[in-house]
Formats: sequence, C-alpha cells, structure tokens
Amino acid sequence: KQEVTQIPAALSVPEGENLVLNCSFTDSAIYNLQWFRQDPGKGLTSLLLIQSSQREQTSGRLNASLDKSSGRSTLYIAASQPGDSATYLCAVSWYGGATNKLIFGTGTLLAVQP
Amino acid sequence: GAVVSQHPSRVICKSGTSVKIECRSLDFQATTMFWYRQFPKQSLMLMATSNEGSKATYEQGVEKDKFLINHASLTLSTLTVTSAHPEDSSFYICSASGDRGMEQYFGPGTRLTVT
Repeated sequence: KQEVTQIPAALSVPEGENLVLNCSFTDSAIYNLQWFRQDPGKGLTSLLLIQSSQREQTSGRLNASLDKSSGRSTLYIAASQPGDSATYLCAVSWYGGATNKLIFGTGTLLAVQP
Repeated sequence: GAVVSQHPSRVICKSGTSVKIECRSLDFQATTMFWYRQFPKQSLMLMATSNEGSKATYEQGVEKDKFLINHASLTLSTLTVTSAHPEDSSFYICSASGDRGMEQYFGPGTRLTVT
C-alpha cells in the first residue's frame, strides 16, 4: 500500500531558526513529490514540486530534497519567520497510467514564535 | 499559473438535503479532476478521480451513490452530496490537471456544514 508519513506532527521554533520537516513514503517508484502549505481554514498553496528525476528544488528560503532510494524528502526552511506558521503537507504521486493520484501525508503543524 | 475555482466557499445545509459544489479550471482544460475531503486537523483524503466524459473512479470506502460526481466539460466538475448528514460536514477541495501536464492545481476549498 502506498503511504506517506510526516514527522514531526507539530513543531514550535523561535524566529530566525533554520528547520527541517521530514516526509517518508513507501514504494520508491514515484512520479513526483510536492510540498504544500495550508493556513487554517484555507486551501493549499503549492511550495515546491520535485520530479522523480530531480534531487532537489529551491525557492527563496525553501529547499526540498528527494531521495527515492530511501523513500524520503525533506523541506528545509531557512531563517524562519512568524509568517511561516502553517501546516506543511507532503504529497506523493505514483505512476498510475493516465491519471496520477496524489497521496497526502499527515502534515506538520509549524509555529514560529516571534 | 493555472487557476482553479470552487463555489461556494462555504455552505450550510440541513440534514437530509443535497448540496452541489462546483470546481472550475479557469485558464486551462482539465481532462482530470480530483475531489478530496479534509476533516478537522487531518490531512486530505482522495475521494474520487473523474475524467471528462466518463464515470468517476471512487476510492475505497467512498459511497458513489452519496457523493455524485459529474465531469461533463473540460472546465467544470461538480460534487453533489446527497441526503447530507452532520458527519458529512467537512472541507472539500478539488484539483485539476490537464493540458498543462500532470501537475494538479488546487481549488480554494468549500466548507460544508450540515446541521
């Protein structure tokens, strides 16, 4: 069964710290992996998309890495800010013919304290 | 980027009634649309996948007669929750993929409350 797990479930850090969020998945034959941000009561904001052939993607203070062989991805946030407080979701798409379903992880609730 | 809208953003209905949620791709043709459900403090769970012009494929445990999905055009999919009950109260999010590749673009979600 294809599953996605995220640890930790919640994280609280002081402003300015660098932090790492973890995502693990079963079955290394993935199509791509995405990191999303979700604010309370809101929809999803796509942060980074890593194709299966890539090892990392960067956008501003965010860097996501992918290691298919170990079934892991990390999201690195540099110099965290209170505005980064949100739930971060990892989602994995596996090859599925014409349609590639996304399976979401359990999420990490991040609180950045000013 | 690709834009997906949902309507309504919030809806309150009485138990036993039906409610329809629309998902539209505004600037691209969506050959495939996905419907997700998210309960409080939980992650998104895929409910069904629909391809334009064909019947939706439902995930295990999702009642197809209760959650009716129609994908009649390349820009519109609808989810109808029939005979709604309080336990159907949830956040429903759609996504779409199509002529811009396999990436899914997400709508803003619809908060359904059944009283």
